[in-house]
Formats: sequence, C-alpha cells, structure tokens
Amino acid sequence: GAGVSQSPRYKVTKRGQDVTLRCDPISSHATLYWYQQALGQGPEFLTYFNYEAQPDKSGLPSDRFSAERPEGSISTLTIQRTEQRDSAMYRCASSPWGAGELFFGEGSRLTVL
Amino acid sequence: ELKVEQNPLFLSMQEGKNYTIYCNYSTTSDRLYWYRQDPGKSLESLFVLLSNGAVKQEGRLMASLDTKARLSTLHITAAVHDLSATYFCAVAGDGNQFYFGTGTSLTVIP
Repeated sequence: GAGVSQSPRYKVTKRGQDVTLRCDPISSHATLYWYQQALGQGPEFLTYFNYEAQPDKSGLPSDRFSAERPEGSISTLTIQRTEQRDSAMYRCASSPWGAGELFFGEGSRLTVL
Repeated sequence: ELKVEQNPLFLSMQEGKNYTIYCNYSTTSDRLYWYRQDPGKSLESLFVLLSNGAVKQEGRLMASLDTKARLSTLHITAAVHDLSATYFCAVAGDGNQFYFGTGTSLTVIP
C-alpha cells in the first residue's frame, strides 16, 4: 500500500481479554517494527521482522506479548490476558532493507479497563 | 541495550530565536535519525545521518552527527510557530533495531 496501515485505531478491552493488533506495511519494505509508546514518552522497541524472520524480540515485555508475520507482509501483535499497564499506543513502522528510515503508521491506541 | 538521551525535554522559545536540541547515546552507532511528532499524530522522518560528520539541512532545521562523541544535534534557526512539535532522535543498534530518545517538546511562542 501507499503507507503503513494499522487497525484497529482504537481498542478498549477489559483486563484479562486477549487483543490482536494488525499492521499492513508499505508493500516494498522488507523490515517491519513494533513499538510501544506511552503518553509523553518515546517509542519503546518491542520486536522486528525481516520478511517473515523475527531476529529480535528482546523488547517484548513478557511472554503475554507475541508477534507474527507469516508471509512476510502483514503482521499481527497479540497481547494475551491484558493488564492495565498494557494500555498504550502501539505503533508499527516499516523500512526498506538495510535499516533505512522508518515509516510509521497512525498507531493503535489500546486501553485496558 | 543502547540508551538514548535527549535534552532539553521541554523547550519554550520565542519566534525568531535560535536553539539546539542534543541527543546523546550510550554505545557505538553510525546511524542516527530525527523524527517529528505533532500532537495526536504519528512520527514523521526529518533526517537520516549515516556517517561521522554528516550534516543535513531542511529549511530552519539542521542536524549533525559526531559518532566519536556519540552526539547528534538538531539546530533550529529563527524559529517559527509551525515548528512546535515533539522531536525524537533514534539510534540504530547492532541489528536493525532503532532506539528512541525521550523526546524534546518544543513550543514556539509568537
């Protein structure tokens, strides 16, 4: 697509529910990133993919968080058994191969009640 | 993990004035990026700096990189209200990870 697309834009859920966020990157971009951004803070690295490979998931806060990119294009971020501290903006970004600049989506704002 | 610090965190300046935002990082990297974020919006790429001594300019903004000092600066010349935003630097790690600074919230006062 023309830009990075994320859905849903807003998600409100109850504590303990599972949530899945989706990212559709720029079609020519090999690398896809997930970031968590709290209000008033910089984006915190969660994980990234080179095509379908996931070389680094060291930023995922716990084993409740997982991400997939099975066909090397669309990616999902799943949070199981959500907790209130998971409330944040989740941003996806894509980049051409070679660690060029990141192109960010509009983000998915998650609120856990 | 690579640490990235920016200062100041908050900056209020009058139109027409000059100022510099600093970005320090903790381990060796030769790739640094500057982004702008308007309230409620996503991040927009401003500059890509890929070597020691790199300098890039766009309008009233100029960015530079000193990899030996692990320091980048974003200089604002003759600020205008439209520059009000939050500015982030991001540093590339060993792999393809990018680590962001805490951000500098800039307000330009007419």
